[in-house]
Amino acid sequence: EAQVTQNPRYLITVTGKKLTVTCSQNMNHEYMSWYRQDPGLGLRQIYYSMNVEVTDKGDVPEGYKVSRKEKRNFPLILESPSPNQTSLYFCASTSGISEQFFGPGTRLTVL
Amino acid sequence: TQLLEQSPQFLSIQEGENLTVYCNSSSVFSSLQWYRQEPGEGPVLLVTVVTGGEVKKLKRLTFQFGDARKDSSLHITAAQPGDTGLYLCAGVSNDYKLSFGAGTTVTVRA
Repeated sequence: EAQVTQNPRYLITVTGKKLTVTCSQNMNHEYMSWYRQDPGLGLRQIYYSMNVEVTDKGDVPEGYKVSRKEKRNFPLILESPSPNQTSLYFCASTSGISEQFFGPGTRLTVL
Repeated sequence: TQLLEQSPQFLSIQEGENLTVYCNSSSVFSSLQWYRQEPGEGPVLLVTVVTGGEVKKLKRLTFQFGDARKDSSLHITAAQPGDTGLYLCAGVSNDYKLSFGAGTTVTVRA
């Protein structure tokens, strides 16, 4: 089954404690993205990757890092989380015709 | 500032009624997509419209792309409780970047 998986689905942490949200896709897509979703703001792109070892900033990259060492994996790293990073995060994998396949989401709370 | 403005933000209707959701922008897009998102899940693509003036139908859902490729609408005929969800439009730029609207929360009461 074609899918995008994210882990963890829920995470409560404290300010400053480094965390990683993993994302994996099994569709052999080259293009992957991370978004955050906040009420009234919709989905905003954090980072994207057009292929292995190629990453670039989206609209709201501050406070986040990503890596793309393999085609299927695209982890999101928060080196020093802050409360304003409390949000719902989605990883997405994009087919050649721009159809985005989204993961189930990770709800992050930073205290 | 949102690149794509969706209206209304919330919509609550009775089963069997019709509804229309609008997506407007001052920017021109190469294509426009509509997604539906249910609680606890990621958005799922419903349709992509590419040509200005294009109309696509998906059962009881009708999608229209404006002639100038800046706006779009989603019309649901005889809405059912299963249509409840958050509807998101996304404009696709020439560099394949997607810009999302804030979404319209649709509730269909039985």
